[in-house]
Amino acid sequence: GAGVSQSPSNKVTEKGKDVELRCDPISGHTALYWYRQSLGQGLEFLIYFQGNSAPDKSGLPSDRFSAERTGGSVSTLTIQRTQQEDSAVYLCASSLALRQGRTDTQYFGPGTRLTVL
Amino acid sequence: EDQVTQSPEALRLQEGESSSLNCSYTVSGLRGLFWYRQDPGKGPEFLFTLYSAGEEKEKERLKATLTKKESFLHITAPKPEDSATYLCAVQPITQGGSEKLVFGKGTKLTVNP
Repeated sequence: GAGVSQSPSNKVTEKGKDVELRCDPISGHTALYWYRQSLGQGLEFLIYFQGNSAPDKSGLPSDRFSAERTGGSVSTLTIQRTQQEDSAVYLCASSLALRQGRTDTQYFGPGTRLTVL
Repeated sequence: EDQVTQSPEALRLQEGESSSLNCSYTVSGLRGLFWYRQDPGKGPEFLFTLYSAGEEKEKERLKATLTKKESFLHITAPKPEDSATYLCAVQPITQGGSEKLVFGKGTKLTVNP
């Protein structure tokens, strides 16, 4: 079946502009995650959704970052007033996670490469 | 604080030369340890999940093992197509039940023909 998809694949923006990144999880997956991968750094957790609610937002680096999920499916990560340090690859993952606390494999999308000039 | 350290950062092997990648971790409680493979410009691809010390899993030329402090990814007789960055991640037990993964920085493996 189809995997996790993300759009756009690349986004170049100017400092101070807002951007929206989209994630379509695997059909039927209830959990959705956003991570960020900066050059030379490991993947950094941003936020976790179970259904439409976000029990863990602890990784969002500032209040310029927000995310929502609608219909238990598509999620959008929004970065307001972008800064150069926001340049990174933003990765989305999804998992079945039918029962909270159960360990399920997270399947990743191809990522969105964000460049802030 | 939950932490994952991978070594070496980079590894060059000749085709057929077996070796091991290390992932050491500190975590208050471990729900699972994951290995992923990442090719340039792509998202991580799932390889293995290990849950408890002593567990081993194999897939083709790869074998993952787990102790209470570290995991090893053994690569037997590697081929050039095994060249990639290998990522290790832990899923800690959390009070809030967060499903987040904590990743290491990865080991970049290059296998020369």
